[in-house]
Amino acid sequence: EVQLVQSGAEVKKSGESLRISCQASGYTFSIYWIVWVRQLPGKGLELMGRIYPTDSDTRYSPSFQGQVTISVDRSISTAYLEWSSLKASDTAVYYCARQARDGDYVDSWGQGTLTSVSS
Amino acid sequence: QLVLTQSPSASASLGASVRLTCTLSSGHSSYAIAWHQQKPQTGPRFLMKLNSDGSHTKGDGVPDRFSGSSSGDERYLTISSLQSEDEADYYCQTWGRGMPWVFGGGTKLTVL
Repeated sequence: EVQLVQSGAEVKKSGESLRISCQASGYTFSIYWIVWVRQLPGKGLELMGRIYPTDSDTRYSPSFQGQVTISVDRSISTAYLEWSSLKASDTAVYYCARQARDGDYVDSWGQGTLTSVSS
Repeated sequence: QLVLTQSPSASASLGASVRLTCTLSSGHSSYAIAWHQQKPQTGPRFLMKLNSDGSHTKGDGVPDRFSGSSSGDERYLTISSLQSEDEADYYCQTWGRGMPWVFGGGTKLTVL
């Protein structure tokens, strides 16, 4: 069974750094893109970027380029989403997900990580 | 520009059927989409990949009550024998070669 298990909720202050994680199991981690998706409070889904674990090829959506860093540790089948300096506007739920092999769509989701940033 | 349009809300009675629509922007009628369900306070769940010819591949454990179909630039998700647990937000998502992913704005389904 494919599982993506994300790290727990975070409460941070503006200017602080943060790294959240997504541990995959039940499939060959290295050959599927991992995607990060943001959901602002009461809003829809936005693609932030994705990474291919085999070679760490990383693609960012224009709105998130330079704002976050996506990385992986293949040895523990884990992907990361990182901020160097949080803003209150980063308050959201962040989902990791697996991209299917036959198209650029999500076929499995993590449970989400709620991140609250106060000013 | 690749855009997906969904009605913000829909409603149907318990036990009835409902069809949700996702409309592709002009010139993109050959594109496949994916449907995702998001129940309140939970993460999304992949329901199915839906091709332009109406063929679809469902995710693991998705009930037979959920089906997909296509017509031109419209992609449909039909839920039959509605249950209270089907009350959720439904998102469509598509992609294009060299283009960023797109999510529709979502449809909030209320089961009456």
